[in-house]
Amino acid sequence: NAGVTQTPKFRVLKTGQSMTLLCAQDMNHEYMYWYRQDPGMGLRLIHYSVGEGTTAKGEVPDGYNVSRLKKQNFLLGLESAAPSQTSVYFCASSYPLTGYYEQYFGPGTRLTVT
Amino acid sequence: GQQLNQSPQSMFIQEGEDVSMNCTSSSIFNTWLWYKQDPGEGPVLLIALYKAGELTSNGRLTAQFGITRKDSFLNISASIPSDVGIYFCAGQTTDKLIFGTGTRLQVFP
Repeated sequence: NAGVTQTPKFRVLKTGQSMTLLCAQDMNHEYMYWYRQDPGMGLRLIHYSVGEGTTAKGEVPDGYNVSRLKKQNFLLGLESAAPSQTSVYFCASSYPLTGYYEQYFGPGTRLTVT
Repeated sequence: GQQLNQSPQSMFIQEGEDVSMNCTSSSIFNTWLWYKQDPGEGPVLLIALYKAGELTSNGRLTAQFGITRKDSFLNISASIPSDVGIYFCAGQTTDKLIFGTGTRLQVFP
C-alpha cells in the first residue's frame, strides 16, 4: 500500500497561472480532504469530499476548486494563482464508516506563486 | 469558526526530560486526535481518543480525553532527539477535523 500520494511535490507558478494538484489513495477510503498549511496557522481545510462525485467547502475555499470523479482520486485546482496561495498543501483521507475519524496524510505539495 | 487553542506554542527541552502539552476548545468534540509532523513531511497519527476521560498510551506517549470533552492532553516521557517536530491536536466534528496551531518541540542532547 502506498497510502496517500500527492503530485507534484514542488511547483512554482506565476500570478494568474492555473494548475491542478492530484491526490490519490489506495486504502478504499470514502472521505478525502485538502488542507493548506501556513507558518503559525496550523492546518486549514480548503475542500473535502464524503464520497465519489461529492464535494463540500471547508474553512478557506475561495480561489480553489475540487473534483472527485473517482473514489481514489481528489483533485485540487487553482484557476488563477495568487501570491496569497503560496503554501504547503496536504491531502488526507479517512474511512469514518467504521466509526473512526482518523485521517491519513500525504507528503505534501510545496507551491510558490510569484 | 471553531478554534482549538494549543499550548505551549514551542518548547525547548533537554533529552530525557518529560513534555506536556494541551489543547482546549470552546466546543465539545466526540473524538480527539494527536498528530506529529516531521520537517518536510505530512502529519502522522500518534493517538486517537474516543471517550471522555479516556487515557491512552503509545510507547512513551500518553494522551487523555478531558472529562468536559473540551480539552485533551499529550505527555511525552523521557524525550529523545527524534521527538523533534510539530505536534498537532485535532477535534472531530461531524465529518471534519479541526486542528490546533501546533506545538513545536526542540530536544537538545
